[in-house]
Amino acid sequence: DVKVTQSSRYLVKRTGEKVFLECVQDMDHENMFWYRQDPGLGLRLIYFSYDVKMKEKGDIPEGYSVSREKKERFSLILESASTNQTSMYLCASSLGLEAGNTIYFGEGSWLTVV
Amino acid sequence: KNEVEQSPQNLTAQEGEFITINCSYSVGISALHWLQQHPGGGIVSLFMLSSGKKKHGRLIATINIQEKHSSLHITASHPRDSAVYICAVKRGSQGNLIFGKGTKLSVKP
Repeated sequence: DVKVTQSSRYLVKRTGEKVFLECVQDMDHENMFWYRQDPGLGLRLIYFSYDVKMKEKGDIPEGYSVSREKKERFSLILESASTNQTSMYLCASSLGLEAGNTIYFGEGSWLTVV
Repeated sequence: KNEVEQSPQNLTAQEGEFITINCSYSVGISALHWLQQHPGGGIVSLFMLSSGKKKHGRLIATINIQEKHSSLHITASHPRDSAVYICAVKRGSQGNLIFGKGTKLSVKP
């Protein structure tokens, strides 16, 4: 079975702190994604990566950056956390971008910024 | 207007009932996904389809490309089916997923 593992399930951080959310997948997938999910808004794409060291902005990249130094690991970075970044963050991975590929999600990371 | 609309937003059913969740979209797509999210956050892919119908256990998913509409059916519903069901469409062959806002299903014993 494909496994997408997010390192932290629950985090509480202070405004202005630098926050790292880590995601690892074990199926050699090319594509990895970071989403945030907020009540009433559904999932929104922050960034995605289709190869090592490659990244593309999603719909809401402001205030975030990403790093993909190895194929299996995709990190989301909040350079200076703000209260409006309190949310649930979901990592996902899939084989190529073709239509027929299933997407696999991690368990989610609940971030609270105080 | 959202590109992917789900209805209803919330649904309460009695155990054993037949359930239908609907998804309409306004863009050309290459595939449609039905996802299930349990309390606690993790999301599981239930179906991916681009035409016709797929069945897995008590779950059935259909899609009508001409009408830009998909339905997810649950037969003989059970309290363990309680979850948020999310429809997501893939725009074009290389595009990213666009998500609906989800349907929260609660099945009472």
